[in-house]
Amino acid sequence: AQSVTQLDSHVSVSEGTPVLLRCNYSSSYSPSLFWYVQHPNKGLQLLLKYTSAATLVKGINGFEAEFKKSETSFHLTKPSAHMSDAAEYFCVVSRTGGGNKLTFGTGTQLKVEL
Amino acid sequence: DTAVSQTPKYLVTQMGNDKSIKCEQNLGHDTMYWYKQDSKKFLKIMFSYNNKELIINETVPNRFSPKSPDKAHLNLHINSLELGDSAVYFCASSLRTSGNGDEQFFGPGTRLTVL
Repeated sequence: AQSVTQLDSHVSVSEGTPVLLRCNYSSSYSPSLFWYVQHPNKGLQLLLKYTSAATLVKGINGFEAEFKKSETSFHLTKPSAHMSDAAEYFCVVSRTGGGNKLTFGTGTQLKVEL
Repeated sequence: DTAVSQTPKYLVTQMGNDKSIKCEQNLGHDTMYWYKQDSKKFLKIMFSYNNKELIINETVPNRFSPKSPDKAHLNLHINSLELGDSAVYFCASSLRTSGNGDEQFFGPGTRLTVL
């Protein structure tokens, strides 16, 4: 079984300040982990993924995430928020080699204020 | 060129009707998926097909029937629509089914409203 928990349903930051979106995972197997972003009324876009290579993963638009097995966490960060980052963010887990079935977290809505 | 496309974008219909949503991908991927996003934005997989063969079938009512005429297309037919079927339905594709964390590419979604 696999699951992810996104610890915050809403996060609000000021433009230019750091972003931290928290995610904890649970998996009986070696997991692959992803962060997807969904802008209003749009489909989902992959930000980054972890697949048992480097634990610090860099993604698009300045986002990165660190896989910490001891803490079962995969938090998403960005040094400086931009207005265009306002969106819904999903932490996702899949079982490596397990049919590529994605299990989504409940999402974190990021609000960026001037 | 759109990688994963869905039609229609919006679908409004009455309870009891039958409707279809179409999905096409031009990425040359082997595997396609249907997801349902509810009003709380929770996303859950419904089905996955690999090269026209059903791979994942979550506990979805049998009023929902996916059909894959070829590996570039995966359609979703829904019989006897109910109010609870109102949601956004996303199609996705990936290169393989068992790839090590293969990225899934999502379509723009179809917003289904059942009145």
